[in-house]
Amino acid sequence: DGGITQSPKYLFRKEGQNVTLSCEQNLNHDAMYWYRQDPGQGLRLIYYSQIVNDFQKGDIAEGYSVSREKKESFPLTVTSAQKNPTAFYLCASSIEGRGSNQPQHFGDGTRLSIL
Amino acid sequence: QKEVEQNSGPLSVPEGAIASLNCTYSDRGSQSFFWYRQYSGKSPELIMFIYSNGDKEDGRFTAQLNKASQYVSLLIRDSQPSDSATYLCAVEVGPGGGNKLTFGTGTQLKVEL
Repeated sequence: DGGITQSPKYLFRKEGQNVTLSCEQNLNHDAMYWYRQDPGQGLRLIYYSQIVNDFQKGDIAEGYSVSREKKESFPLTVTSAQKNPTAFYLCASSIEGRGSNQPQHFGDGTRLSIL
Repeated sequence: QKEVEQNSGPLSVPEGAIASLNCTYSDRGSQSFFWYRQYSGKSPELIMFIYSNGDKEDGRFTAQLNKASQYVSLLIRDSQPSDSATYLCAVEVGPGGGNKLTFGTGTQLKVEL
């Protein structure tokens, strides 16, 4: 089955700890994204990547880092510099659109909480 | 002014009625528009996308786009209790898009028996 797999489903972070959220897709999509969703709010873009070995900051990149070493994988690290990391983290991917955007499809998400 | 605005609701409709969800956007250059459905505690699921002015129908769902007035709407015909969810409007931002989307905060829909 083609899809986007995020792991773990739940994650707890201690003070001063970095944690890494995994996102893998087997859809052969070029573009991948990380969003954060807080209760009652829309999705906010953290980072995105349109091609391997390249990525750009989104609207709320501070305290986060990413890598894109393989087309299939786009892990997100929540660093200790992110002081309010508790949120629902969503990974998405899309075919690289030419002209109009192609739809983004989402994984099941990771819920991150502070211990 | 928010880039993408939606009424947070809840919007309550009786089963079998038409639910009308609206979204306005500020970037006049936006070309691509998406509707996602999000059940409580779950990730968003793509319902519809529309690029051209007018209507686009897919089963019980119709997306309507009016670029001159900068609004996009989603109609759900014959609403079912299973349609109860939050509906997110997403709009491409920036010239050429670059695949970046801005999301509204969503409208909560409740379909009542």
